Amino acid sequence: DAMVIQNPRYQVTQFGKPVTLSCSQTLNHNVMYWYQQKSSQAPKLLFHYYDKDFNNEADTPDNFQSRRPNTSFCFLDIRSPGLGDAAMYLCATSRRGPNEKLFFGSGTQLSVL
Amino acid sequence: DAKTTQPNSMESNEEEPVHLPCNHSTISGTDYIHWYRQLPSQGPEYVIHGLTSNVNNRMASLAIAEDRKSSTLILHRATLRDAAVYYCILKPRDSNYQLIWGAGTKLIIKP
Repeated sequence: DAMVIQNPRYQVTQFGKPVTLSCSQTLNHNVMYWYQQKSSQAPKLLFHYYDKDFNNEADTPDNFQSRRPNTSFCFLDIRSPGLGDAAMYLCATSRRGPNEKLFFGSGTQLSVL
Repeated sequence: DAKTTQPNSMESNEEEPVHLPCNHSTISGTDYIHWYRQLPSQGPEYVIHGLTSNVNNRMASLAIAEDRKSSTLILHRATLRDAAVYYCILKPRDSNYQLIWGAGTKLIIKP
């Protein structure tokens, strides 16, 4: 059973053309995360939501925005993608707390031409 | 800031035990130790976590040193499907969201 679903699996965009990645969950978790993962590196947290409370990591570029219209869905908007934004984007969910595990989607591989 | 150090890669034979080490010498007393793995072209998946005591589950065992400055993930009988990147991660108890990721160990299983 798919629990964290990311669409699309692969996304190609042009330099500077806005792009939106989507994530949905069936776990009813109150925390959702967006991570960026570049080749051979560990995932890097961009931001997270606790319910509707949005939390931006200090070094997340302004070019990245997020929306969470309801518990189940979360979107990542890249306003003007650059070549350096080509990466795997991972969505994850969890309950709140340090003892809680994260559930990841399969990711969206973004290419920027 | 606390961080974790892992070997870049390890090889093991199929159906043999695998011991994946992680050094976290700057760990604070309230950091949880988590392990996730990432199969090729997939998102990371949870493996196991602990605080002070050794832990066992259906996937693996986690052995935590008495001083908590290191830990070892143990796969009791590796299969080809266990070939993945294994991440050792610290999760501070006072943060609900922060994960401090290691660089990961690429585990290669030889048939």
